[in-house]
Amino acid sequence: KAGVTQTPRYLIKTRGQQVTLSCSPISGHRSVSWYQQTPGQGLQFLFEYFSETQRNKGNFPGRFSGRQFSNSRSEMNVSTLELGDSALYLCASSSSGPGDEQFFGPGTRLTVL
Amino acid sequence: DAKTTQPTSMDCAEGRAANLPCNHSTISGNEYVYWYRQIHSQGPQYIIHGLKNNETNEMASLIITEDRKSSTLILPHATLRDTAVYYCIVRRENFGNEKLTFGTGTRLTIIP
Repeated sequence: KAGVTQTPRYLIKTRGQQVTLSCSPISGHRSVSWYQQTPGQGLQFLFEYFSETQRNKGNFPGRFSGRQFSNSRSEMNVSTLELGDSALYLCASSSSGPGDEQFFGPGTRLTVL
Repeated sequence: DAKTTQPTSMDCAEGRAANLPCNHSTISGNEYVYWYRQIHSQGPQYIIHGLKNNETNEMASLIITEDRKSSTLILPHATLRDTAVYYCIVRRENFGNEKLTFGTGTRLTIIP
């Protein structure tokens, strides 16, 4: 099985711009979660989608949003970028059965200048 | 979810067993212990998980104390490729609760 893929791998934006990141889960997985990882804050949960519905949400401002498509692919959008949004954004998928594992993608490294 | 405490860093000689401890004294009865690792600039990789019995797979062994307040991840024959940050987390097995909270982890360095 192919693993979780994320595109793009690297991205450079300037303050005020918006960005869309994409995640393709493992085939058959219906749950996709997004995380932000920074050196200072560690790994922080953004949100989780299951069957096109947001099921869990972390403590991030409304500038961070996401969606999931019928094929389980997910996108994450950040509007009005700030310098502090520079981070590694990770996507994880699982089939969402009891005790199912989350498999992480390689991440998208976003740099905001 | 219960919090975990891990040493900030550890060294281990190549070929030796690496033993990584984790304290989770507030773990509740329905929470599992999971271990992930993250190699620099890559996404976290699942290693192993367990509830109360010791577990072993092709990557590692997990030893959970009888009171479940602590556990140890064992990499039996560490290689240079095992250098990474290792995260111990506890989470429920509830359907739909997919949120993971990672602490600061243990930075394991394998020394040639």
